[in-house]
Parts: sequence; C-alpha cells; structure tokens
Amino acid sequence: GAVVSQHPSRVICKSGTSVKIECRSLDFQATTMFWYRQFPKQSLMLMATSNEGSKATYEQGVEKDKFLINHASLTLSTLTVTSAHPEDSSFYICSARVAGQLNQPQHFGDGTRLSIL
Amino acid sequence: QKEVEQDPGPLSVPEGAIVSLNCTYSNSAFQYFMWYRQYSRKGPELLMYTYSSGNKEDGRFTAQVDKSSKYISLFIRDSQPSDSATYLCAMNVRGAGGTSYGKLTFGQGTILTVHP
Repeated sequence: GAVVSQHPSRVICKSGTSVKIECRSLDFQATTMFWYRQFPKQSLMLMATSNEGSKATYEQGVEKDKFLINHASLTLSTLTVTSAHPEDSSFYICSARVAGQLNQPQHFGDGTRLSIL
Repeated sequence: QKEVEQDPGPLSVPEGAIVSLNCTYSNSAFQYFMWYRQYSRKGPELLMYTYSSGNKEDGRFTAQVDKSSKYISLFIRDSQPSDSATYLCAMNVRGAGGTSYGKLTFGQGTILTVHP
C-alpha cells in the first residue's frame, strides 16, 4: 500500500519550454503532497508543500511563479516548471502523506529527471 | 550548524557485515524519526519509522533513537549487495494539537556499498 506514482520519469527539452510533472497517490488519498529537488550526491531539498484545494506553501528562495503547483484532487498534484532553463535541470521528487494520518510518514514517488538543453 | 548531521561516507563493507548508520540532530522539537533507502535514480523508500526512544526492529533492520542525546541510528544485520544504496535519515516536529507538521528535515545521506 501507499504507492506514489510520478510521471514522467525523464524529460529532456529545450530552454524556454514549460514542463509539467504529475504526482499521484495510487491507493490512498493525500490532502498534503510535498515537492522536493535533489542535486547529484546531495540530499532532498523541500521546495513546497501542496495542499488539496488551497494554495501551495513555498519554501524560502523558491520562486512561486517559476514553479507552479496545483493540487486539484486528493490523489493528484502537479508541478509545472515554467520557461525552464539549464539551471533548472535536476531530479524532482514528490511525496504524499495519507489523508487523516497526520502522524504517519511521507511516501515518495520515483522522481522525474529533468534535463534542459 | 545544520539541524541534522549525517556522515556522507562513502561506507564500504563486505557482505554479511553489520552496518551502523548514524544521525545527530540539534532541534529538540523533532519527535518523529525515519530512515529512507534511496537507490540511484529512484525516490526514497521508507525503511523504518519511529517516534519513541529505544529500539525498533524489522527483519534485518533495527532503528535506535536516543532523544536525550539527540542521536539516531540504523543497524543492518547480515548486509547484502542489494543493500547498496544511499540511506537518508529524516525527522519532523510534532505540531500543535498533537498532529505532525509533516515537513521533513533530511540528513545529507550516507552512501553504502556492500561488496560480495
């Protein structure tokens, strides 16, 4: 149980393109999802907390207009990297927490490797 | 000073060895502790979760928490080559009203290689 699916797993696109990444909880409902960014050989850096039906909460230094987050349902959150540039190339990972189980840990997707040429 | 300190390694051990992975933390508000395993180019996979001091065992894995020393450990017995991965400790505070805030703070991760 508690499976999180992330799509796509790999994206290669040209500079200036906008890229949408989907995060789905397959067998549970998630009122809260989290978006992370991970650089090679480094730990996960929280970008934003996505709450179903409300605006996302962004961490300090993360541009809201650059990284658009939508959490329209209890099983889907999307991250859109707008007008992506090479410096946005990274590994993006989402996680979700089971709705109503606030003391339970987060479950992670398998990440999306984004490469901007 | 980082809130969570974890030795990045790399750590290399022979198959069958007992592996000890450790994290220290400075924020006494951390109440929930997790260990995740991350294979290359994959997302973290939850291994252990605990919220009390003491030991918790699951198969070959034992998680240990010492809140008085702000120190957590993960022990892997009879290590296998398939255990080769990056191990991340993570923790979060307990929010108001008895609910978990949910925002995780991660250690840097320890790269482990178990060679045959």
